[in-house]
Amino acid sequence: AQKITQTQPGMFVQEKEAVTLDCTYDTSDQSYGLFWYKQPSSGEMIFLIYQGSYDEQNATEGRYSLNFQKARKSANLVISASQLGDSAMYFCAMREDQDSSYKLIFGSGTRLLVRP
Amino acid sequence: DGGITQSPKYLFRKEGQNVTLSCEQNLNHDAMYWYRQDPGQGLRLIYYSQIVNDFQKGDIAEGYSVSREKKESFPLTVTSAQKNPTAFYLCASSIVTDSTNEKLFFGSGTQLSVL
Repeated sequence: AQKITQTQPGMFVQEKEAVTLDCTYDTSDQSYGLFWYKQPSSGEMIFLIYQGSYDEQNATEGRYSLNFQKARKSANLVISASQLGDSAMYFCAMREDQDSSYKLIFGSGTRLLVRP
Repeated sequence: DGGITQSPKYLFRKEGQNVTLSCEQNLNHDAMYWYRQDPGQGLRLIYYSQIVNDFQKGDIAEGYSVSREKKESFPLTVTSAQKNPTAFYLCASSIVTDSTNEKLFFGSGTQLSVL
């Protein structure tokens, strides 16, 4: 089974509007971390936001917030006031405490295009 | 500036040839990782190293080899045994590996293509 599922291959959003990128995850671990990365066309992966499984508050970083619903195992990324520079691939990822490698497991990504 | 440097940015491989992708970091990180990215797919782990002179296979290690002789360097060799090497390769590092909140820092990637 997929550990990280991103069901939206591509999305459009109008500049200055908010957009939500979906992410669901699957783990039996009680301790885990959830990450969102942005990948512009240049290829580098840029860290955006982190949510720990024990965090009671939803994480926020500037225009980025993470809508964490633990019971539903979802960790959706919300980008407010979209900008043209937000056009990129977005990846949701998870790190599990039970995994001794502590590797990040990535979803397949969502390509976001911001329209002017 | 601290960071991760991958070279070259573009690499071409002939049939039967081994090629080596370079990854250097000056962040003083203990852990380093190699990921492969195919179009329309997420990143998949090839190899990782948590300490010098030690490394472990990831999910898709067949056809690849690595070394970790120095803390700063983690080169990846794509061998002739890798039948479908065309992909985007990303190197990453992290400070420690015993915490779920430890984020990965990534290089800018190498695009490998087969001639």
